[in-house]
Amino acid sequence: EAQVTQNPRYLITVTGKKLTVTCSQNMNHEYMSWYRQDPGLGLRQIYYSMNVEVTDKGDVPEGYKVSRKEKRNFPLILESPSPNQTSLYFCASPRPTHQPQHFGDGTRLSIL
Amino acid sequence: GQNIDQPTEMTATEGAIVQINCTYQTSGFNGLFWYQQHAGEAPTFLSYNVLDGLEEKGRFSSFLSRSKGYSYLLLKELQMKDSASYLCAVRDPLYTGRRALTFGSGTRLQVQP
Repeated sequence: EAQVTQNPRYLITVTGKKLTVTCSQNMNHEYMSWYRQDPGLGLRQIYYSMNVEVTDKGDVPEGYKVSRKEKRNFPLILESPSPNQTSLYFCASPRPTHQPQHFGDGTRLSIL
Repeated sequence: GQNIDQPTEMTATEGAIVQINCTYQTSGFNGLFWYQQHAGEAPTFLSYNVLDGLEEKGRFSSFLSRSKGYSYLLLKELQMKDSASYLCAVRDPLYTGRRALTFGSGTRLQVQP
């Protein structure tokens, strides 16, 4: 079964404590991306990756890092989280024609 | 850039038909998507339009007019489980190479008995 798996699903942490949200896909897709969703603002792309070792900024990249060392994994890194990064995060890995058709289940982050 | 407008909330009755409108501005049209999202869950894909006209898929249909920058999602025979947010999104223009979607803020649909 085609899947995009994110972990953790929920996380409450404090300002400045580095955290990583993992994303893994089993579809051998080249393209992966991260979105955040905030009330009234919709889903906004943070970073995307066209292939291994190829990443680029989306619309709201400030405060985030990503890496793509292997095709299946695309972790989102918050080096020094701040309260304005409290949000619902989705990893997505689209098929070539209809995208992004596969979203992960989401990670709800609360930064206190 | 790209911009999408859709109503914030709508209410409809079980068994009825509802139309959710979406208007968009883009520097290079490259496809329009509709997603359904239940509270706290991931968006799920409903439909994709790239050419003008109506795409029908069971109880759901989506219409596109590229000249008007307009789309709608039509839901027939509404069921209580259709209560959700409906997200309209356009894909980045082809020349950007980004393949991202720009989403509207979503329309929260409440189906009443």
